[in-house]
Amino acid sequence: GEDVEQSLFLSVREGDSSVINCTYTDSSSTYLYWYKQEPGAGLQLLTYIFSNMDMKQDQRLTVLLNKKDKHLSLRIADTQTGDSAIYFCAPFGNEKLTFGTGTRLTIIP
Amino acid sequence: GAGVSQTPSNKVTEKGKYVELRCDPISGHTALYWYRQSLGQGPEFLIYFQGTGAADDSGLPNDRFFAVRPEGSVSTLKIQRTERGDSAVYLCASSLTPTGNTEAFFGQGTRLTVV
Repeated sequence: GEDVEQSLFLSVREGDSSVINCTYTDSSSTYLYWYKQEPGAGLQLLTYIFSNMDMKQDQRLTVLLNKKDKHLSLRIADTQTGDSAIYFCAPFGNEKLTFGTGTRLTIIP
Repeated sequence: GAGVSQTPSNKVTEKGKYVELRCDPISGHTALYWYRQSLGQGPEFLIYFQGTGAADDSGLPNDRFFAVRPEGSVSTLKIQRTERGDSAVYLCASSLTPTGNTEAFFGQGTRLTVV
C-alpha cells in the first residue's frame, strides 16, 4: 500500500514563507491533495494537484510536484497566525486517499 | 443537508460493548469513505463504498469492525466487543465519484472513547 511521510513539526515567523514537504511511494497516484486540520475541527481541503502537473498556484498557496522523486511540497506565502494548524498530504490512488502523519505548523509572532 | 453529518459527535462506551456510528453523506454522492484518526496520527483508511457495496474494506483492522450502506446513502460503522485501543475519532467522507478529481468532503467525526 501507499506510504506517505511528512515532518512532524515546522515553526515559522509570521510573514515568512512556510514550506511543508511530503514524500509518497505509489507512483500511480493521480491526484495529490493537501488538507488542513485546526484544533477540534474537521479536515478542510486546501488545494490539490493533478499528477501530470509540476506546479499549481492558488493565491498564497503553491504546490510543487516532483513525480520522479515522488515528492510534494506546499508553500504558504506570508504566513499568518490563522495558518497555525496540522497540514496533511494525501495522495489519491486505488480509489482512496492515503494520509500522511501530518505536519504541525506553529507561527512565531 | 449541506455537508457530511456524523452522529453521535461523542460516544463513551464500556469495554466489550457494541457501538454503531452513523454517517449521512452529501446527497447524490456515490462514494463514501470511513477513516479512523488516533491522537497525533493522520486519518487511516478503513473502508470505501461505491453505492451500496463495499468496494474496498482492506483497512478494517479485524472482524469486530463492520460497515453497511444498504440504500447507497447513509452508512453505519459497527464495532463489536469494543477495546480500549478502538478509542479514536472516526471520520466519514463522501465524494461525487471515486475517481479522485472530485473533492472528498469530511464530516466532523465521532469521537469514540472506550473505558
